Order: sequence, then structure tokens, then C-alpha cells
Amino acid sequence: EPEVTQTPSHQVTQMGQEVILRCVPISNHLYFYWYRQILGQKVEFLVSFYNNEISEKSEIFDDQFSVERPDGSNFTLKIRSTKLEDSAMYFCASTEQGTGGEKLFFGSGTQLSVL
Amino acid sequence: AQSVSQHNHHVILSEAASLELGCNYSYGGTVNLFWYVQYPGQHLQLLLKYFSGDPLVKGIKGFEAEFIKSKFSFNLRKPSVQWSDTAEYFCAAHNDYKLSFGAGTTVTVRA
Repeated sequence: EPEVTQTPSHQVTQMGQEVILRCVPISNHLYFYWYRQILGQKVEFLVSFYNNEISEKSEIFDDQFSVERPDGSNFTLKIRSTKLEDSAMYFCASTEQGTGGEKLFFGSGTQLSVL
Repeated sequence: AQSVSQHNHHVILSEAASLELGCNYSYGGTVNLFWYVQYPGQHLQLLLKYFSGDPLVKGIKGFEAEFIKSKFSFNLRKPSVQWSDTAEYFCAAHNDYKLSFGAGTTVTVRA
């Protein structure tokens, strides 16, 4: 079965540093998403991306965050200057269709620890 | 704005007991509904989904959920749980470009 892959599985960084979380969505998918889950809390939507632009973003997704699809396969989330409260598990997801939730495939996540 | 609420934060039960987890959503338009499960140390997996048709949907591992439009509810059920059902369960609603999750319910099944 095709899968969404995320690297690294665990990222440790110092507060104020920039981090880039990488995702390789499933090859024929067109819609891409980032979610995060702070330990013990619910999964929160960050941003959706289609046709090389952001479709929707949440209040969490402020100016410190950006997304990019630098080539035909990668989808990245950049946090410009990390804060302690950015520590969370970040999930990438992709789907063939924007409203096709049944085909929303999640990656296994990147655990970001900000020290 | 769309939101999803789950009634129970933590449910503890014994093997073979029946399970029902409540979920309500607030959105008046067409919405697709899901239950996801997250086993300890693993990523989210789809349990079942409702798009249209029969409001009683069956998913994997013996789970089912019933969509009641008048109550804006999509409760998850399993008649007899196993120890391996210990996990976090998330209800989610999808419309437009966003999938919104509930806060999750931790289910602990004691052997």
C-alpha cells in the first residue's frame, strides 16, 4: 500500500532555531496537509495546500510557519524561530481529492522537541 | 466554524464489555465523518467513515458507528472490546479542505 513518509522521525532543536520537517506525499495525490498533536492534546489542523498554494490555514499557522513544495515529491513545513510550545508530533497527510477524506493518508509523524 | 466534540476524555473498561464513544459535530452543511484510532506509539489509522447512505457504518476490528443527522452525532460502538483496543480514539469531520478532530477519548481495556 502506498504511504506518506516523513523525515526525520524525531527532531531536537534549540529554541529560536529554524527547523524544516519533510514529507513525501503519495505520488498521485494533489492535496497536502500538516497537522500537529501536542502531547496529551487533540490533533490540530495547521494548513492545507493545493496547486502550489495554501488553501486554508488555522490560527496556529502564523508567520513563523511556512510550507513549500520545492519539487515534485517533497512537501515541507518550516518553523522559522521555534518556541518551546512548538514541541509536538507533526503529521503530514495527503489525499487525491480535497474532499476525499476517506483517502486522507497520514504519515507516521515527526516528533519535534524544542529545548 | 466547524467543531467536533467528544464526550468522554477517558474510558476504562474490562475485556468483553461493550464500548460506546460519543461524538457530536457542529456544521450545518454536508460533512463527512470519521473515526480514527491511534494505538500507543503509532500514527493515526482510519477505523471507519460515513459519507452518505446507510447511517450505520461498519469499520475494521468490529467497530461500527451510527450517524444521526437530527442529533449531529456519530457515536462509535463495539459490542465486546479486547485488550488490544486500548488506544486513543478521535472523531473527525471533513468539509472543504479541512479535517477537524475532536479532543480524543483514551480507552483503556483491562484484561
